[in-house]
Amino acid sequence: DARVTQTPRDKVTEMGQEVTMRCQPILGHNTVFWYRQTMMQGLELLAYFRNRAPLDDSGMPKDRFSAEMPDATLATLKIQPSEPRDSAVYFCASGSEGGGTDTQYFGPGTRLTVL
Amino acid sequence: GENVEQHPSTLSVQEGDSAVIKCTYSDSASNYFPWYKQELGKRPQLIIDIRSNVGEKKDQRIAVTLNKTAKHFSLHITETQPEDSAVYFCAASDDRGSTLGRLYFGRGTQLTVWP
Repeated sequence: DARVTQTPRDKVTEMGQEVTMRCQPILGHNTVFWYRQTMMQGLELLAYFRNRAPLDDSGMPKDRFSAEMPDATLATLKIQPSEPRDSAVYFCASGSEGGGTDTQYFGPGTRLTVL
Repeated sequence: GENVEQHPSTLSVQEGDSAVIKCTYSDSASNYFPWYKQELGKRPQLIIDIRSNVGEKKDQRIAVTLNKTAKHFSLHITETQPEDSAVYFCAASDDRGSTLGRLYFGRGTQLTVWP
């Protein structure tokens, strides 16, 4: 049963530090999404990629966040410098555009705490 | 962009009763509406979805209905069980002509099923 994987699962860091989160999409999926979940804002899209190219990153604070797909099996989300308001659960999801289904499969999430 | 509203925010039912969660959306171009279930500390998992060319879809105890004219859709769970207790999210997709686009999520409904 193929699943999206994310590392680390938990991250505690201090304000000002760099944080890198990684996602491995399901093999063969060509679309990767980054979502952030907080109590205040709920689930919101940060960015998404298709065939490794960014399609929409309008939900991402550009001054401190960056998202990339170095290759088809790895997506990264980086925060530099981190701030306490970045504390949230970050989910990666993947899907297959053109695969006949709209389903997005979520990873287990990275719980980030910025002190 | 799309705005999805979800009600109620909390719902308590007795085991065996039915539960209904309702969502409205604002963008008439949205054409894909999934429902996700999220247990505490876990990833969101798709439980059922519907496209705008269909008015109703059922999967065992779960059904979704869609009213395109009124721009609302609902999740119906019959014969509820304690294991149905979770947060349920509705979403609408802005697929921009693709089969897989970003999701706009409602704020979630905490469903509690009492034995």
